[in-house]
Amino acid sequence: EVRLLESGGGLVQPGGSLRLSCAGSGFTFSTYATSWVRQAPGKGLEWVSTISGSGDSTYYADYVKGRFTISRDNSKNTLYLQMKSLRAEDTAVYYCAKSIGGPRSGMDVWGQGTTVTVSS
Amino acid sequence: EIVLTQSPGTLSLSPGERATLSCRASQSVSSSFLAWYQQNPGQAPRLLIYGASSRATGIPDRFSGSGSGTAFTLTISRLEPEDFAVYYCQQSGTSPWTFGQGTKVEIK
Repeated sequence: EVRLLESGGGLVQPGGSLRLSCAGSGFTFSTYATSWVRQAPGKGLEWVSTISGSGDSTYYADYVKGRFTISRDNSKNTLYLQMKSLRAEDTAVYYCAKSIGGPRSGMDVWGQGTTVTVSS
Repeated sequence: EIVLTQSPGTLSLSPGERATLSCRASQSVSSSFLAWYQQNPGQAPRLLIYGASSRATGIPDRFSGSGSGTAFTLTISRLEPEDFAVYYCQQSGTSPWTFGQGTKVEIK
């Protein structure tokens, strides 16, 4: 079974840092681009970042550029999102998602999400 | 940034009826990079359509996508009880990728 499992969410103070992880299983992890998508409470989906299967190419939403870093360790089948300078508006459920193929293709497998709360 | 505007915001229909959801883009989007997702409360999104008109694996054929350029449509031919949910379109042709604000399909 193809699965993604996020971890690392929690409560962090404004200005703080957090690293999210997403472990993939049931597929050849390095073959597929993977992304982070977030959803603030009661709001819609918001794309955050995408990384190619090899890790050579990365893409970011403007509102996280310079603060968040996406990376992957294909030897561990794991995707990461390093978040720093967190703001209250970063509070959301963060989903990782696997693409059908390259970075621009649809996202066909999603994790269950991990909750990030930025508050003092 | 390409803004995707979905309409209507809420669609009130009965089971068995046809649902037509619209997604309009502020700039032309390559059809190859337009997707539709379904989300039920408390659950992760599910990919329905990619490449504007290709059904994802396991998606029933009552779901279909069409359109090109700046106008795209998701059609559900006959609503089943499990189809009442929120639907999002998303473009990944031009960075930053963007989602529409969603259309809620509710039971009338």
